[in-house]
Amino acid sequence: GNSVTQMEGPVTLSEEAFLTINCTYTATGYPSLFWYVQYPGEGLQLLLKATKADDKGSNKGFEATYRKETTSFHLEKGSVQVSDSAVYFCALSDRGTQGGSEKLVFGKGTKLTVNP
Amino acid sequence: GAVVSQHPSWVICKSGTSVKIECRSLDFQATTMFWYRQFPKQSLMLMATSNEGSKATYEQGVEKDKFLINHASLTLSTLTVTSAHPEDSSFYICSATHRGLTYEQYFGPGTRLTVT
Repeated sequence: GNSVTQMEGPVTLSEEAFLTINCTYTATGYPSLFWYVQYPGEGLQLLLKATKADDKGSNKGFEATYRKETTSFHLEKGSVQVSDSAVYFCALSDRGTQGGSEKLVFGKGTKLTVNP
Repeated sequence: GAVVSQHPSWVICKSGTSVKIECRSLDFQATTMFWYRQFPKQSLMLMATSNEGSKATYEQGVEKDKFLINHASLTLSTLTVTSAHPEDSSFYICSATHRGLTYEQYFGPGTRLTVT
């Protein structure tokens, strides 16, 4: 079955440090890939997405590139801020049949703490 | 746009009682809603998928008689935990897909259920 593996945390960085959270996937077909962020006490929010190979999703300074050859979708940010402290989830969604609804398969999440 | 709400945000109930959680899409029509369960420091686990006007599809291992899902309209789905026990204590999250958009889910803020 489809699965997502992401690096285990927690990850602790100082402000302005470079961030990488690794994510690899196993899937049949051509999934869309997502990063979700969950801030303390809140629900998941879509951070960025990529729907096909070599697409780069970006938002709020975060980036991730859909690498089909390495089945990866690593999340990066050049300079993190304290406000980026949250749990980050990598996920995939199969395109399925036309008009059909999708199931999201999530990784276990990586907790990021950014210290001033 | 694409806001999903859940009510209540947290609930405490006694063992043996039932509790209902509502999930609403506030500004769009949701063709499909999903219910997830999240354990501490774990990923989201899909419990069931519900389409408006039809029976929910439950994931393997989820007791459909215990977790009753009703998707009565294009903007409302409910999850009822029947005869709750302490092991049902968890964070329950719903998401919804937007008619006309593909393969994206918008998440509610979640409901914290504590069974005493």
